[in-house]
Amino acid sequence: QVQLQESGPGLVKPSQTLSLTCTVSGGSIASSGYYWTWIRQPAGKGLEWIGRIYTSGSTNYNPSLESRVTISKDTSKNQFFLKLSSVTAADTAIYYCARDDYNNKGVDYWGQGTLVTVSS
Amino acid sequence: DIQMTQSPSTLSASVGDRVTITCRASQTLSRWLAWYQQKPGKAPKLLIYKASDLESGVPSRFSGSGSGTEFTLTISSLQPDDFATYYCQQYNQYPLTVGGGTKVDIK
Repeated sequence: QVQLQESGPGLVKPSQTLSLTCTVSGGSIASSGYYWTWIRQPAGKGLEWIGRIYTSGSTNYNPSLESRVTISKDTSKNQFFLKLSSVTAADTAIYYCARDDYNNKGVDYWGQGTLVTVSS
Repeated sequence: DIQMTQSPSTLSASVGDRVTITCRASQTLSRWLAWYQQKPGKAPKLLIYKASDLESGVPSRFSGSGSGTEFTLTISSLQPDDFATYYCQQYNQYPLTVGGGTKVDIK
């Protein structure tokens, strides 16, 4: 059973960089066939896909966030990371990491989510 | 980006009711569509993938149908545990996009 766990600061100041880590257990991020993905959800609103990284290191980002987003990984630690720069209050949301079984089930395993608030 | 439109946005129903939620895409998806259930404070849970395939462990009262641009999620007999918000998500093309959600509440 694949499990994902987000970690990182729950409070970030405006204009700073939001940094989150996703630790994966029960499966390897080096396995082919899956992307490792970040998705967010502002309070009371819908889901917004941020971006993804493949085992090769290739990435895809939502064009609406692309100028501010970097997703990277550390295969040796079975972790992948999100950095979102120049944050504003509009970036306040629950951030989820997830596995994307892109050629079959889509996003099938999710972390529990972590709330990040942007405030001074 | 592919736009996903769900209807209705809110649905009031009773235990035992048959419930249908519709999702329309702005471009053809073939069958690359998933349905999720989300309860307050929890991550979304995958119910249906490839438009009509039931995820392991999901009760058979949930079913999905459709292809192309129009899809439906049906709950054949609503149970107390089913009161939640439901989302459709396309994974035919990136960026992944999600419908606005349908909140199923108690009539």
